[in-house]
Amino acid sequence: DAKTTQPNSMESNEEEPVHLPCNHSTISGTDYIHWYRQLPSQGPEYVIHGLTSNVNNRMASLAIAEDRKSSTLILHRATLRDAAVYYCILRVVTYSGAGSYQLTFGKGTKLSVIP
Amino acid sequence: KAGVTQTPRYLIKTRGQQVTLSCSPISGHRSVSWYQQTPGQGLQFLFEYFSETQRNKGNFPGRFSGRQFSNSRSEMNVSTLELGDSALYLCASSLLAGVADTQYFGPGTRLTVL
Repeated sequence: DAKTTQPNSMESNEEEPVHLPCNHSTISGTDYIHWYRQLPSQGPEYVIHGLTSNVNNRMASLAIAEDRKSSTLILHRATLRDAAVYYCILRVVTYSGAGSYQLTFGKGTKLSVIP
Repeated sequence: KAGVTQTPRYLIKTRGQQVTLSCSPISGHRSVSWYQQTPGQGLQFLFEYFSETQRNKGNFPGRFSGRQFSNSRSEMNVSTLELGDSALYLCASSLLAGVADTQYFGPGTRLTVL
């Protein structure tokens, strides 16, 4: 399985930008980079995904390195509601029978937001 | 549009019993995946269904099984429960099952095995 590496935890002050890094040095050309987050006592929530180009949505921005071996999730202004575990996930197509599209979660980065 | 719903939200069983958990995906979604979350192992993939067919299965014993109905609703069953099966069981649905598709998660069913 393609693996990702993230810091175990990070802290940010409220209303400041947060840059959450992810390394995925074994990524292949067809792998999508997805980010999910899990707030306390909730199921994971989709944040953003991309393939090669940087992506923006209402929640965050995703900056993908030119060689695609790393990416950074950017929260432009952290709020207390952004305190969660953030998972960087590679969506890998494998060809065993009908194909495999599951999410493989690592440990993620626990983001704490300081008021 | 209603989100993914899971029932029941909480369940207490004893060792040796069996349990069935239910998941109703977002309307129009055809893919349903199940995950187990424990403090020690984190989030682990159980299986995925698409159009009533199991497309992939994670590394879990045969006591864990599932099915999907024609309306895309899904159930998972765990037989002969063990203490280690205590976990949060999450269901996720997506429109199709491609690598670019977003998975939408339900709130989970908290299973406690005594």
